[in-house]
Amino acid sequence: DAGITQSPRHKVTETGTPVTLRCHQTENHRYMYWYRQDPGHGLRLIHYSYGVKDTDKGEVSDGYSVSRSKTEDFLLTLESATSSQTSVYFCAISREREVNYEQYFGPGTRLTVT
Amino acid sequence: AQKITQTQPGMFVQEKEAVTLDCTYDTSDPSYGLFWYKQPSSGEMIFLIYQGSYDQQNATEGRYSLNFQKARKSANLVISASQLGDSAMYFCAMRGPNYGGSQGNLIFGKGTKLSVKP
Repeated sequence: DAGITQSPRHKVTETGTPVTLRCHQTENHRYMYWYRQDPGHGLRLIHYSYGVKDTDKGEVSDGYSVSRSKTEDFLLTLESATSSQTSVYFCAISREREVNYEQYFGPGTRLTVT
Repeated sequence: AQKITQTQPGMFVQEKEAVTLDCTYDTSDPSYGLFWYKQPSSGEMIFLIYQGSYDQQNATEGRYSLNFQKARKSANLVISASQLGDSAMYFCAMRGPNYGGSQGNLIFGKGTKLSVKP
C-alpha cells in the first residue's frame, strides 16, 4: 500500500462543466503522475509533477491542467469537460527510494461526461 | 520514440498450468526499465515485477518471472502454476533512462486479458 487516495472515486458530470480530481499521498514522494485508461489504449500519461509547483505535460495533456501546491496533493482539472474525457483516471507516485523507481497507483476515479 | 507492444488481446490457461504473456518493446536508449502490472476486475493497478536493461539475470517474484531477451527486445511475463485469482488484465510498461522527470514516465502496452479456467 503506497498510501495513495483519489477523490472522488466516481463522478458523473455534464459536458462543459469544470471538474477537479484529487490525488493525495502520505509518503512525501517527489514524483506524481496522472494517467487515463481507455479501452484499447492501455494507460496514457496526462501530466506529471516533479515537485511542488513543478509540473509538465504528458502524451495526452490537451484539455487538462494540473496543480501541485503541496507535496501530498496533485490536482487534475478538466476546465470544460467533454464526452471524450470519459475515462478512468489513475494517479501514481514514483518511489524514488526504491532502486527501480517503480510506480504505484491509486485506486482510480471513474469519470463519466454526459 | 519508445513503444510497447502486447499482441495477445486475450488468453486462456488451465488452472495450475504455466502461461506466458508476450511483450515486445522498442527504444533507442541503452538504459531502460521494464515493468509488468496486473489489473484485476476490481480495477486497481498492481505492480508485479521489474527488469532493468543492464540486469544480467531474469527477474523473478514468486510465481512471476520475466523472460528478458534483450537482442529480441522482448520481456515476456511467465506465470507458473496459474490460479483462478490470476484472471486479470496484464500490462507491460517501459520507463526511459532517467528515473525522474519526463524519462520517469511509463509507456504502457494495451494489455492482455488472462482468463484462468478451473
